[in-house]
Formats: sequence, structure tokens, C-alpha cells
Amino acid sequence: GQQLNQSPQSMFIQEGEDVSMNCTSSSIFNTWLWYKQDPGEGPVLLIALYKAGELTSNGRLTAQFGITRKDSFLNISASIPSDVGIYFCSARYGGSQGNLIFGKGTKLSVKP
Amino acid sequence: DAGITQSPRHKVTETGTPVTLRCHQTENHRYMYWYRQDPGHGLRLIHYSYGVKDTDKGEVSDGYSVSRSKTEDFLLTLESATSSQTSVYFCAISDDSLGPGYTFGSGTRLTVV
Repeated sequence: GQQLNQSPQSMFIQEGEDVSMNCTSSSIFNTWLWYKQDPGEGPVLLIALYKAGELTSNGRLTAQFGITRKDSFLNISASIPSDVGIYFCSARYGGSQGNLIFGKGTKLSVKP
Repeated sequence: DAGITQSPRHKVTETGTPVTLRCHQTENHRYMYWYRQDPGHGLRLIHYSYGVKDTDKGEVSDGYSVSRSKTEDFLLTLESATSSQTSVYFCAISDDSLGPGYTFGSGTRLTVV
């Protein structure tokens, strides 16, 4: 079945650092989305991407829809403590209300 | 605010007992979903619904059933709970009016002992 491979699984950040994560698949998708989950809460949508090559920003977050339509990238610039959490990539298969599949998540923690 | 509520928020139950989790939404959105979240597995789709009495299986549906007799409620039932069903369960809703993604509830943490 379709699968999203998200990396890295976890990373430690120091305030001010830039962070990058990505999601790849062997399947082609028409929509990529990135979510963030805070402890004890459900995931919340950060950015949605609809077109190959599209680059979209939301504050310090920038995401890209890969040219091949099989991957997506999320960058966080100048990280702050409240950036900690789990970030999920997601992709839609089927039509405009097709189901979403999710990567396994990238857990961001603060460097001790 | 999409108005999605999950209940209970936490539950401990014994192996072999039936358990029902409830997802309630206040704005009559068409699509509803149940996911489970486990370390190392991310979010996996259990069942979903396209409308009243219109449901379908997801990736990990074995051991689970759902019902949607009213637009606002989507129930997830574990007929005979097993320890492998210990997880955090999330309900989600979607609709054209909510934009491209899903809106998730706050989750139910279920422990089967």
C-alpha cells in the first residue's frame, strides 16, 4: 500500500537553529500537508501544498511540494522552544476529499 | 472552531470487555475518521465515514467496528478489547468548508489491561 517515509524520526534543537525534515514516497500525490502535534492534543494543520514545485510559508515555517510529486520538505527557521512537538507529513490520495495518509512523524525536542 | 469532541479522554479497561469511544461534532460536517496513534507507527486509519450509515474500513480495521446513525456522532467500538489495542485514538472531520486537511479532536487514551 501507499506509504510515507518521514525523516528524521527525532531531532534535538537549540534555540535559534534551523530545522529541516522531509517525507518521501514511491507514489505520486496531488496534495501534501504538514501537521504539528503538541503533547496531549491532536495534530493541527500547518501548511498545505497543491502543486509540484510549490513553496509555501507560514511564519518561520516553509514547506515545498517536490517536483516529482513524490516528496515534500518542511523547514523551520530560527527555532524557538515552542516549536517542540511531533511534526507529521501527510498526503492525499483520491479526489479532493480523498483520505489522508500520514508519515510516522518527526519528534522535535530541545537540546539538554 | 470546528467543534469536535471526543469522549472519554482517558479510559482503562480489561481485556475482553467491549469499549465504545465517541466522537461528536457540532457543525454537520460530512466526513469523519478514526485514527490510532502508536509510537513508531504514526497515525493509522481505522475506519471512516462519508455520511450517515455510510462507513468504510481503513488500514487497521480488524477488531474495530463503527457506527454513524446521526451526522454529528461517529462511534468506534472495540467488541472485545485486547492489549494490542492500547493506544491513543483520534477522531477527525473534514469538509470542503474546513479547507484541505482534517480537523482532529484531542484524542482518547485507551489502556487495555
